[in-house]
Amino acid sequence: AQSVSQHNHHVILSEAASLELGCNYSYGGTVNLFWYVQYPGQHLQLLLKYFSGDPLVKGIKGFEAEFIKSKFSFNLRKPSVQWSDTAEYFCAVIGNTPLVFGKGTRLSVIA
Amino acid sequence: ETGVTQSPTHLIKTRGQQVTLRCSSQSGHNTVSWYQQALGQGPQFIFQYYREEENGRGNFPPRFSGLQFPNYSSELNVNALELDDSALYLCASSNPGQAYEQYFGPGTRLTVT
Repeated sequence: AQSVSQHNHHVILSEAASLELGCNYSYGGTVNLFWYVQYPGQHLQLLLKYFSGDPLVKGIKGFEAEFIKSKFSFNLRKPSVQWSDTAEYFCAVIGNTPLVFGKGTRLSVIA
Repeated sequence: ETGVTQSPTHLIKTRGQQVTLRCSSQSGHNTVSWYQQALGQGPQFIFQYYREEENGRGNFPPRFSGLQFPNYSSELNVNALELDDSALYLCASSNPGQAYEQYFGPGTRLTVT
């Protein structure tokens, strides 16, 4: 069965710092990859998705993610974080099973 | 366009009881999925309904069951509640032809005492 690993449980950054959140998955076949975000008190929202084509995908609010098939990775990046990026971030994958989520990474951005 | 809605927002039940959670899908969406999110964990897939039929199930026991209605709204039923069933239950709906893009509701927080 496929699985998703998010390496960082809690990341604390200062405003304007660069962000990279790691995500690795275990399925060797064709995958569809997602990053979801959950802002405090709000429901899960789709940040970006990869289905095929250009492995560098851009999402909302300046986020991007790069699919590296050889590393089974789909890391999330943002060049300069803002306080409003404080949230829980979930990586998810669809391979041969329905959507499988990682455990999430809590991002705290401090002024 | 109305988003995914869920009811109730919060619920407290006693071990052994039964509970029904409800979900209204986003307008135009005919596929509904249910997830359980325990504290500190990512959502775990329970099952999915497409056109009123179960269309995939995760690793959950049969006491977790569901229904989808002709208007594509859905129910999640849990019998013989256990303490470990305490979690946030999320409903997500998706568009025909874009089943992988799921839109989530705010969730129902279930506490089992």
